[in-house]
Amino acid sequence: DADVTQTPRNRITKTGKRIMLECSQTKGHDRMYWYRQDPGLGLRLIYYSFDVKDINKGEISDGYSVSRQAQAKFSLSLESAIPNQTALYFCATSVGRAQETQYFGPGTRLLVL
Amino acid sequence: GQSLEQPSEVTAVEGAIVQINCTYQTSGFYGLSWYQQHDGGAPTFLSYNALDGLEETGRFSSFLSRSDSYGYLLLQELQMKDSASYFCAVRDHGNQGGKLIFGQGTELSVKP
Repeated sequence: DADVTQTPRNRITKTGKRIMLECSQTKGHDRMYWYRQDPGLGLRLIYYSFDVKDINKGEISDGYSVSRQAQAKFSLSLESAIPNQTALYFCATSVGRAQETQYFGPGTRLLVL
Repeated sequence: GQSLEQPSEVTAVEGAIVQINCTYQTSGFYGLSWYQQHDGGAPTFLSYNALDGLEETGRFSSFLSRSDSYGYLLLQELQMKDSASYFCAVRDHGNQGGKLIFGQGTELSVKP
């Protein structure tokens, strides 16, 4: 079984809809991250969480919100989806201060029409 | 702020050696990481250099020069399966040790 899982793997939605992307991990890591990837722009950090009570904005948090429901679960919400949020979204985990080594989920492809 | 520069594309032939460079500008520096990503797949960790010098892991090696703010990933005995995107990343100095900042990636194409 995969250590970091994301659901759904693919999603098509319409402008203005609220959607949630979910991430679960069985690695026991305390730190979790949400990234967005667009062609030619690499990985950009949306939000990150160092433990259940700690949530931090990344470089592109506008239009997104997150919830850390438990150490193993970190969900990303788009309150009102817009077409330029069409992208590939990755969840990742790391342990302690060893942030250089992050473990990524398989990604969610999101298309906003 | 932080920025990383790496070439957007590199092409090489099977069996050859290729070097992917990365230069960085950061307000503080812990070390340089490298990740591999096959088309549409999850990025996977390859290596990390905190100190100057060469780190070798099988066919892959990574080098760091802190004084030059420069590093590279060296891939030897290239195989077709090495065709992928490669990202360098640095840790940003910030809250509780910061977070990773990724370069825009280098797409490596290995030709027969």
